[in-house]
Amino acid sequence: AQKVTQAQTEISVVEKEDVTLDCVYETRDTTYYLFWYKQPPSGELVFLIRRNSFDEQNEISGRYSWNFQKSTSSFNFTITASQVVDSAVYFCALSEAMGGATNKLIFGTGTLLAVQP
Amino acid sequence: DTGVSQDPRHKITKRGQNVTFRCDPISEHNRLYWYRQTLGQGPEFLTYFQNEAQLEKSRLLSDRFSAERPKGSFSTLEIQRTEQGDSAMYLCASSLLIGDWNAGELFFGEGSRLTVL
Repeated sequence: AQKVTQAQTEISVVEKEDVTLDCVYETRDTTYYLFWYKQPPSGELVFLIRRNSFDEQNEISGRYSWNFQKSTSSFNFTITASQVVDSAVYFCALSEAMGGATNKLIFGTGTLLAVQP
Repeated sequence: DTGVSQDPRHKITKRGQNVTFRCDPISEHNRLYWYRQTLGQGPEFLTYFQNEAQLEKSRLLSDRFSAERPKGSFSTLEIQRTEQGDSAMYLCASSLLIGDWNAGELFFGEGSRLTVL
């Protein structure tokens, strides 16, 4: 069965600190996609990144970076020099690709990040 | 704004009433998804369409729920005889199927929040 675990329920940091959000996944598929979404208080899920299981290269986008390690089934997300506007719930998600591409995502329970000024 | 739009944003209804939500996806997207999110949880997949065809339904989608996408553009999600357990945020998302193994990036709307009294 597929599963996504975000063990950190809540994280509180002070502005300008770096913070890493953990994501561990389980799947028997060899081809799959991993995602991160941000959900600010307004409620809309904002797409951050999608990573194919064949691409283990780490990615950096501005203050955001992602570390994908198939050996540990992890896809961690780091925010460098956090800002108050980063305060939100962050979701990690997994989608299968066998049998044809699908965006039927399995979400984790989310990590609430609070960045204090 | 060319994102995914949902209507209404909020709906309060009494138990036993029927409600209908509408979703307008990003115009060129051929896949449309419905998810449900309850408080403190990640979104859960309900169903999805490719053009006008409904390709998959989750076990979460009881027979009181029906979704349509009649012309392959907008979609409606109807809940009949609502129950208090139906209270949740109903999220619509869309993507462009690029190939057999690439479902494209998934973009969410702001959601329709349902409260059943």
